[in-house]
Amino acid sequence: QVQLQESGPGLVKPSETLSLTCTVSGGSISGSTYYWGWIRQPPGKGLEWIGSIFYSGTTYDNPSLKSRVTISVDTSKNQFSLKLSSVTAADTAVYYCARSKARNFDYWGQGTLVTVSS
Amino acid sequence: EIVLTQSPATLSLSPGERATLSCRASQSVSSYLAWYQQKLGQAPRLLIYDASNRATGIPARFSGSGSGTDFTLTISSLEPEDFAVYYCQHRSNWPITFGPGTTVDIK
Repeated sequence: QVQLQESGPGLVKPSETLSLTCTVSGGSISGSTYYWGWIRQPPGKGLEWIGSIFYSGTTYDNPSLKSRVTISVDTSKNQFSLKLSSVTAADTAVYYCARSKARNFDYWGQGTLVTVSS
Repeated sequence: EIVLTQSPATLSLSPGERATLSCRASQSVSSYLAWYQQKLGQAPRLLIYDASNRATGIPARFSGSGSGTDFTLTISSLEPEDFAVYYCQHRSNWPITFGPGTTVDIK
C-alpha cells in the first residue's frame, strides 16, 4: 500500500520561499508508470493543481503560479519536493502531495497546512 | 486552460435518495474526466476515472457517465458516509484543473 507524507514548515513569512517534501513509502518513486504531484486547497475553498514531476525529472506546473514553482525529485530518498517562491497570504493553504497515474490522483498524503504570515 | 463548472453548488438530500451531480468543461476533454470525494479534514479520494471507471474499492452505487463537455456523477442510493464534497478534474492536457465542487449535505 503506497503512502505519502508531507513535511515542512507550517509558517512562512511573506516574500519568502515555501519548501515542502513528500516522502513516499510502500512503492518506488522511480516507476515509469507514475507522475508525482502537488495540489493545494486554501481554507474553505477548492482544489488547485500546482505541478507534477516524473522520476526522470520532467516537470509540468500550473501557469497561474507565474513561474514561482520548482518541483524536484530525489529517487535515492524516495522523495519529491516543492518550492514556491515569493509567497503571499494568498498562498496559505493545505498542501497535498499525491501519486498520479495517467494524471488521475489515486493516492494522497494527509495534507499539511502552510500559513503565510509575518 | 480548460475551465470546469459544477452544478449544483449544493445538493440537499436524504439517505437513500439518488444524487445526480453535473460537471461541464469549457472545451472537449474526451472521456478524460475524474471525480473525487472529499470529507471534512481529509484528503480527496479518487472515485471515478476516465468518465465511467470506478477506482479500486469504490462501491457500485457510484457511477459516472458522459463525454466531450458534459459529465454526470450518480450516487444511486445515498449512504450516511456519502455526504461530502465532490470535485471533478480533467486530465485532457496540461494544466490539470479541478471544478469548484458540489456539496452533498443532509436534508
